[in-house]
Order: sequence, then structure tokens, then C-alpha cells
Amino acid sequence: AQSVAQPEDQVNVAEGNPLTVKCTYSVSGNPYLFWYVQYPNRGLQFLLKYITGDNLVKGSYGFEAEFNKSQTSFHLKKPSALVSDSALYFCAVRGNTGGFKTIFGAGTRLFVKA
Amino acid sequence: DAGVIQSPRHEVTEMGQEVTLRCKPISGHDYLFWYRQTMMRGLELLIYFNNNVPIDDSGMPEDRFSAKMPNASFSTLKIQPSEPRDSAVYFCASSIREVGELFFGEGSRLTVL
Repeated sequence: AQSVAQPEDQVNVAEGNPLTVKCTYSVSGNPYLFWYVQYPNRGLQFLLKYITGDNLVKGSYGFEAEFNKSQTSFHLKKPSALVSDSALYFCAVRGNTGGFKTIFGAGTRLFVKA
Repeated sequence: DAGVIQSPRHEVTEMGQEVTLRCKPISGHDYLFWYRQTMMRGLELLIYFNNNVPIDDSGMPEDRFSAKMPNASFSTLKIQPSEPRDSAVYFCASSIREVGELFFGEGSRLTVL
């Protein structure tokens, strides 16, 4: 069975500092990995994905994530945080061995302080 | 494209009443998903369809829940009878295999009194 863990309920950073939101996963076969962001009273918005290829993937709004197969991790990063990045972030995983079932982590709330 | 469209955005009902949530996926998308979001349980996959056919409904909590997709442009999630513990935000999302990521609607916030 596939699963996703986001070990931090909340991450606090100062504006201009780098940020990292952690994610580890478990899935059979090669994973498809995703990050989404949710603003209050809105649906989830896609940020970036890893399917294959370069382990460092770049996405929307200056975010990037690094796929680490040995550590089964897919941490979200941004070199310089903005106050407007404050939101709820979800990591998600889908296996590539049939099916399209996409499972989400519990979410990490990011607070960026001015 | 207008994106995934869900209705109603808010629904308040009394215990025992029937609730129907509606979703229009993005045109051309062949996968449709229903998720439920609560503070306690996070985002739970309830069911997903491929080409209008239910593929995995293992997340549907009880027989009180049912979902249909009569055509490529419309899906419903029905709760009958509703209970207070069904209170949550229900999201519909659509996708295509070649892309992989899900496109979410704005959600339907259900409150069962």
C-alpha cells in the first residue's frame, strides 16, 4: 500500500530565508510524486511533480523539490520565502504499477513571518 | 477552460436528509476523483473513475455514500441519510494520465446539523 508522511505539522520561517517542507513516501515500484498548495477556503493547486529524470524538479512560484530514492524523500524547497507563501502544503504519491490512486500526506502549514 | 466546477459551494442540512454534491471535470480529462477533507483525517480519497467507470471505491466510508458518473462531463456524490460526522469539505478533481497531476475544484463545504 502506498503512503505519504509529512513529519512537520507546521514550519515557521522568516521572509527571505530558505524554506524546506519535508515529505517521505512508500509505494510499490517507481513513484510519481507531487506537491500541492492550498490557500484558505480554496481547492488544492499543483506546484510541481517528479515522474522521471532529473532528481531536482522546479515548479511554480520559485519552488523546487529534490527526489531522493535511497531516502524515499521528496522535500519541497524555496531559496527565499515570501509572506505570500504562507499556506498549507501537501505532498502526494502515486504508484506507476497500474491504477491512478493518488494519496496525500497530512499537510504542513507554512508560516512566513515578515 | 473554467477548471473543475463543483456545486453547491456550501450546504447546510439536517441529519437524515439526502445530500447531493455535483462536479463537472475539465473537458478531455478521463479521470475523476472525489476526496473528503477534515481536520481530523486530512484528505481522504473516496472514489475515482476512469472513463466514467468506478475504478476504486475502497475509500467510500459506508453504504450511505454513493457516487456516479453518467457521462464524461458530470459526476455526483450522494449521501443518504446524512449524519453530523459527514460534515467536511468534499473536493472533486480531474486529470489525464499523460499529465499526472490533479486539478481540483473549489470544494463543497457540507455541514450536517
